[in-house]
Amino acid sequence: EAGVAQSPRYKIIEKRQSVAFWCNPISGHATLYWYQQILGQGPKLLIQFQNNGVVDDSQLPKDRFSAERLKGVDSTLKIQPAKLEDSAVYLCASSLDRGTNYGYTFGSGTRLTVV
Amino acid sequence: AQSVTQPDIHITVSEGASLELRCNYSYGATPYLFWYVQSPGQGLQLLLKYFSGDTLVQGIKGFEAEFKRSQSSFNLRKPSVHWSDAAEYFCAVGALNNQGGKLIFGQGTELSVKP
Repeated sequence: EAGVAQSPRYKIIEKRQSVAFWCNPISGHATLYWYQQILGQGPKLLIQFQNNGVVDDSQLPKDRFSAERLKGVDSTLKIQPAKLEDSAVYLCASSLDRGTNYGYTFGSGTRLTVV
Repeated sequence: AQSVTQPDIHITVSEGASLELRCNYSYGATPYLFWYVQSPGQGLQLLLKYFSGDTLVQGIKGFEAEFKRSQSSFNLRKPSVHWSDAAEYFCAVGALNNQGGKLIFGQGTELSVKP
């Protein structure tokens, strides 16, 4: 089975610019997650979707971050405007259903550098 | 609040030696516990998970972990380390609530393997 696809793999932008990341989950996976992994730290959940609805976005800095999952498949995470502290790896993961036993599959991530 | 602590930021072991990575958690109910491995530039790969039952869990690549409720620990072990095991290891607890499959990660332990 194909894995979770993410693009781009790397992105370098200047502060105050905007950036978007894309994620294509495993086919049929209803739940999609975006995690932020800052260097030297463990991943932290930003937002969780169930189909195309938001389940948990309590850790998402909504003044600059936004995410959508149109049609319950692909998802896009956007940062506008970016700050230096947004430099991190952004990981997308999917699972069959939020009620299952956490059968997460992670993508390879997008490494963002804000200069 | 739920949390995961990995006391060792970096560990170096010789190839062929045994390995133990420590993980302590704080969670109000019976935890769902996980160990993930992350190689440079890669996403997270699930090594093993504990939900219930036998407290000694076997995983992939020869890893095992033991759940000790009295110590709030879930330490990862491997009897003989291979050079290819060099990577970052993350312990995580599943936050089981109406939000489903949210994972809370520790800060990670970087493993180096000496020839």
